[in-house]
Amino acid sequence: AQSVTQPDIHITVSEGASLELRCNYSYGATPYLFWYVQSPGQGLQLLLKYFSGDTLVQGIKGFEAEFKRSQSSFNLRKPSVHWSDAAEYFCAVGVGDYKLSFGAGTTVTVRA
Amino acid sequence: NAGVMQNPRHLVRRRGQEARLRCSPMKGHSHVYWYRQLPEEGLKFMVYLQKENIIDESGMPKERFSAEFPKEGPSILRIQQVVRGDSAAYFCASSPAEYATNEKLFFGSGTQLSVL
Repeated sequence: AQSVTQPDIHITVSEGASLELRCNYSYGATPYLFWYVQSPGQGLQLLLKYFSGDTLVQGIKGFEAEFKRSQSSFNLRKPSVHWSDAAEYFCAVGVGDYKLSFGAGTTVTVRA
Repeated sequence: NAGVMQNPRHLVRRRGQEARLRCSPMKGHSHVYWYRQLPEEGLKFMVYLQKENIIDESGMPKERFSAEFPKEGPSILRIQQVVRGDSAAYFCASSPAEYATNEKLFFGSGTQLSVL
């Protein structure tokens, strides 16, 4: 069965520092992979997605993610975080045509 | 262009009551999906609907839960005789009319259901 693991429940990072959020997946075929962000009181917003091709994917808000098949990982990175990046981040794998299987999420706190 | 609208944002029910959660998809979207997020878990797919049709309800509990998406009006997720284990965040998503896809899902802000 498809599954997504986000090992870090909570990460605290200083403003201006780099950020990396881990995501590991279990999926039989070539996965469709997604990162979503949920800011307080907001809906989930798509940051980026990987379907095929270049394994380094650029997204919105300065985020990028790298697909590594050998490690079954799709880690999200940002070189320099801003206070507005404080949110909950979800990794997801596409299942079939329309379903998503989500990880439990990582909450990011940004300290001044 | 309003996004996916869910209401209420917070819903408190006592055990045994009914909960009705509403979702208005984005304009022009005719595919609606409901997901549930239990505490400290990821979102789990519940049901996929098109106008007046349930396409896939494989993630719905067999009892007490139902969903509809009428020709007019919002999609409704209905939970009868709620129990404490139903306490969760319920998210709705929609996708454009051309196809059902996980490539272009737009999510609402969710409804937090608390059962006392």
